[in-house]
Amino acid sequence: DIVMTQSPDSLAVSLGERATINCKSSQSVLYSSNNRNYLAWFQQKPGQPPKLLIYWASTRESGVPDRFSGSGSGTDFTLTISSLQAEDVAVYYCQQYYSTPHTFGQGTNLEIK
Amino acid sequence: QVQLVQSGAEVKKPGASVKVSCKVSGYTLTDLSMHWVRQAPGKGLEWMGGFHPEDGETIFAQKFQGRVTVTEDTSTDTTYLDLRSLRSEDTAIYYCAAAFTGYYMDVWGKGTTVTVSS
Repeated sequence: DIVMTQSPDSLAVSLGERATINCKSSQSVLYSSNNRNYLAWFQQKPGQPPKLLIYWASTRESGVPDRFSGSGSGTDFTLTISSLQAEDVAVYYCQQYYSTPHTFGQGTNLEIK
Repeated sequence: QVQLVQSGAEVKKPGASVKVSCKVSGYTLTDLSMHWVRQAPGKGLEWMGGFHPEDGETIFAQKFQGRVTVTEDTSTDTTYLDLRSLRSEDTAIYYCAAAFTGYYMDVWGKGTTVTVSS
């Protein structure tokens, strides 16, 4: 199974500042035949289901604010929130869909400093 | 607009089975790849299984194999997760999620709480 490891586990950022969450996979999730990284990012607020933010590592889902961006390739990925808003307080998860089981990272709890 | 409507909360005894339903509205079930994800209280997300387009079948994580079944009723666009031999560790919120392209999960249900307790 591919192990997904996020860092940090918890993060506190001031409003308007940049938040960066890292995700590392135990093996590459880059499919060479189509040059796509099989990596998604989700946001989960308390009492709600997860919400898709980013897929193919860097494609923003429709309706997601452009302050959210994804980057990286192979085994190392980053979710960046360029200017933190109060409504961004949530737990963020990365997930690989390169091979089954489609494992998630352990989650990063993002708070306001 | 696609919506996934899940069945209500369940309380079961150890050893029993539970069947969670997920009804698709605004789309046709057979045009989607459906996945199941669970979340134990205060814990992270755990992918249980999902439809794999390349294989044409639903694949489950090894830890659930032999204990879980997914069925579909295409006449009502409803999919069902059947989990047997329940134990306390199965206490969780069970989410269904739909992947339009067959890969990443675009739309999620609100979740069904399953509590396993004697």
